[in-house]
Amino acid sequence: AQSVTQLGSHVSVSEGALVLLRCNYSSSVPPYLFWYVQYPNQGLQLLLKYTSAATLVKGINGFEAEFKKSETSFHLTKPSAHMSDAAEYFCAVTWDANSGYALNFGKGTSLLVTP
Amino acid sequence: KAGVTQTPRYLIKTRGQQVTLSCSPISGHRSVSWYQQTPGQGLQFLFEYFSETQRNKGNFPGRFSGRQFSNSRSEMNVSTLELGDSALYLCASSLAPAGTEAFFGQGTRLTVV
Repeated sequence: AQSVTQLGSHVSVSEGALVLLRCNYSSSVPPYLFWYVQYPNQGLQLLLKYTSAATLVKGINGFEAEFKKSETSFHLTKPSAHMSDAAEYFCAVTWDANSGYALNFGKGTSLLVTP
Repeated sequence: KAGVTQTPRYLIKTRGQQVTLSCSPISGHRSVSWYQQTPGQGLQFLFEYFSETQRNKGNFPGRFSGRQFSNSRSEMNVSTLELGDSALYLCASSLAPAGTEAFFGQGTRLTVV
């Protein structure tokens, strides 16, 4: 089955440190990949998306992700963490549009930012 | 431009009852999908509607159903509620099939007691 795996259910970084959240996908065909962020009691907000136009994707709030086909990865990074980045982050993937739009989500990574 | 609107935001129901949740997509969006979010199972796809037709369905029992109206608004219904149905139900809308992002509502928090 097509899926995504997020390594690390909890990640803790210091304010100002590099943020690295890992996502690997399983697919034999090019996927569409997304990173979403969720704040407490809120819905999901799109950070960035990969749709084969460019392997390095820049998103909102200083986040970016690089699509690496050879590693089937789409890791999310941010050079310098802010306290406001503390939230739950989800990697998601979708494939065949013709059968309907459905996102497969990873289990999520909770990011804690310490002063 | 208004975002995806879900009503109600919070709901408490008793086991055995049924519930209907509503979702109004972003204007012009014809694809509406529903997801269930629980601490144990994470985010799981329920179903997707496009132009009033269900195109895709996740692995949920028949107690979970949905529909979409001609104005693209969607409802999902859960019958014979069970305690395990307690979850955050998220609706998302998108302009077109895969490749374009889905915009999510704030969700409906359903508690079954």
